[in-house]
Amino acid sequence: GQQVMQIPQYQHVQEGEDFTTYCNSSTTLSNIQWYKQRPGGHPVFLIQLVKSGEVKKQKRLTFQFGEAKKNSSLHITATQTTDVGTYFCALSNSGYALNFGKGTSLLVTP
Amino acid sequence: SQTIHQWPATLVQPVGSPLSLECTVEGTSNPNLYWYRQAAGRGLQLLFYSVGIGQISSEVPQNLSASRPQDRQFILSSKKLLLSDSGFYLCAWSRGRGNQPQHFGDGTRLSIL
Repeated sequence: GQQVMQIPQYQHVQEGEDFTTYCNSSTTLSNIQWYKQRPGGHPVFLIQLVKSGEVKKQKRLTFQFGEAKKNSSLHITATQTTDVGTYFCALSNSGYALNFGKGTSLLVTP
Repeated sequence: SQTIHQWPATLVQPVGSPLSLECTVEGTSNPNLYWYRQAAGRGLQLLFYSVGIGQISSEVPQNLSASRPQDRQFILSSKKLLLSDSGFYLCAWSRGRGNQPQHFGDGTRLSIL
């Protein structure tokens, strides 16, 4: 199935700084999903991107799908301590299962 | 609205003992069901998924098995646990194929002693 590389693995920022995580694939993706997992919690679906060049916003979070549909990014503006957690991208392999990236763990210090 | 229940929340088991984790979904019919395992600080590893009663697809060969005796019930089992079976087990459901969002239960933290 399709594999995705997610970088960075870890990111430590001061509260108020911006944060970006990237997902890269060697093959064209039909769609990509993003999830957030708080420490000790379970993954929660954030958004799905389908169209080439698509940009979606959720408050301080901006999600982008690359023009070639081979990469995606999640950008958080002015991080807050509530943003702490691990962010996963996930892509479908044209079947029923999702392939999750290894995630980017974000730590925000006040 | 749909809800997913997973229990127990925490489990400590000796090596060689059996395992049964249960997951149930409410508020939807014919969901796709999934079992994942997450090692500490790691990503999600898909173990099994099911698209209907009695239909189980295994993604990773191991000493675990899954069953779906009812439409909204998914069970993860083992006859003899190994130390390497420790981890955070998550059940999830979705509608349709893989391009649909997945909704996760609260998970079971399994420690093997």
